[in-house]
Amino acid sequence: SQTIHQWPATLVQPVGSPLSLECTVEGTSNPNLYWYRQAAGRGLQLLFYSVGIGQISSEVPQNLSASRPQDRQFILSSKKLLLSDSGFYLCAWTRTGTGDSPLHFGNGTRLTVT
Amino acid sequence: GENVEQHPSTLSVQEGDSAVIKCTYSDSASNYFPWYKQELGKRPQLIIDIRSNVGEKKDQRIAVTLNKTAKHFSLHITETQPEDSAVYFCAASAVKYGNKLVFGAGTILRVKS
Repeated sequence: SQTIHQWPATLVQPVGSPLSLECTVEGTSNPNLYWYRQAAGRGLQLLFYSVGIGQISSEVPQNLSASRPQDRQFILSSKKLLLSDSGFYLCAWTRTGTGDSPLHFGNGTRLTVT
Repeated sequence: GENVEQHPSTLSVQEGDSAVIKCTYSDSASNYFPWYKQELGKRPQLIIDIRSNVGEKKDQRIAVTLNKTAKHFSLHITETQPEDSAVYFCAASAVKYGNKLVFGAGTILRVKS
């Protein structure tokens, strides 16, 4: 069966510090991978998605970047965090193909920028 | 691009009553409509989904209906229980948008016992 791992679960970082969040998927090949952010009490905002190694699409301009160095690994980064980067970050995956595949979320990382 | 609107934003029901959450979408090309439940501090989890070639789908106490002509779909929860309290998100996707899910803003459901 497929599983998605995301770490760390919580993170407190000062303004101006770098960020690296990692996500890996097991049990499937060539998944579509996604990074979402959820501000407190708000909806799900798609940040990045990837359909293959090295292929990253950005949905909104921001202080963050994403990379996919391996088929089942997705990394969210920032060189200098802003207060507004605080939130709940969720990695997710779907199967490639017809488009009616469910989106499966990781457990999320709660980031607080102080 | 696709736009999904969800109503109501909050819903309070008495335990045992039914709850209905409605979503409308803008692009008739959308063909996949999942619903997610998110408990406080946890990840969203898929509870039911429906594809555009089906009008209704049921799984125990939850059901989803789809009206393609009107471009809306609804989540129905019967015999609500306190553990149904959560935030519910609808979503829609279309091949023309790379199959990315577009989410509604969410509905906070409170089941009072």
